[in-house]
Amino acid sequence: QSVLTQPPSVSGAPGQRVTISCTGSSSNIGAGHDVHWYQQLPGAAPKLLIYGNNIRPSGVSDRFSGSKSGTSGSLAITGLRAEDEADYYCLSYDNDLSGSGVFGGGTKLTVL
Amino acid sequence: VQLVESGGGLVKPGGSLRLSCAASGFSFTNAWMSWVRQAPGKGLEWVGRIKTKAHGGTTDYAAPLRGRFTISRDDSRNMLYLQMNSLNTEDTAVYYCTTVDSSGFYSIDYWGQGTLVTVPS
Repeated sequence: QSVLTQPPSVSGAPGQRVTISCTGSSSNIGAGHDVHWYQQLPGAAPKLLIYGNNIRPSGVSDRFSGSKSGTSGSLAITGLRAEDEADYYCLSYDNDLSGSGVFGGGTKLTVL
Repeated sequence: VQLVESGGGLVKPGGSLRLSCAASGFSFTNAWMSWVRQAPGKGLEWVGRIKTKAHGGTTDYAAPLRGRFTISRDDSRNMLYLQMNSLNTEDTAVYYCTTVDSSGFYSIDYWGQGTLVTVPS
């Protein structure tokens, strides 16, 4: 059971918009820790998509955006493409775990 | 930025293994580093982090791994290490070496390709 909860799977047709939630608690996201998002393509290492809740690193498509509210973070992907099919993970830190990092359980995005 | 892990392999239950990570393309001395692992078919798990010498060189570990795993660094060689003791089947995973932002975001920014550790039952 992950400290951060993500839906196991989401899906959407090409061109559509999907969102992936990352629900935490008052000891992690709600305590003010930032949410970061990663994309892991099949057989590859994860890649940073969003950091600091809503900041895209250089080179990441503006189809990806992040937000944070209360004890949750959210990743939105617009204009879905086949190449977006991957696993997505959120990361934050938890005060109740001595400041350790915690990942969400991951969400499998399927492009229909 | 390049991070190249090595040292993975097959190890018997109860055994030990040391993973290495060769870093290049950035100022290793000024970089916080971490290890993240991923069991086969499972999600990502934060293992631990080491700060720079300037920040005290302190280490933090995931609670279940504290006492068995030790992260260290050799700034003179641009190397990061993960010493793993008393290994069991649940430690079977790909282990990734990563950089960590130290400017206040603490995101994991760059990842190596990973090295597989297998502890058979």
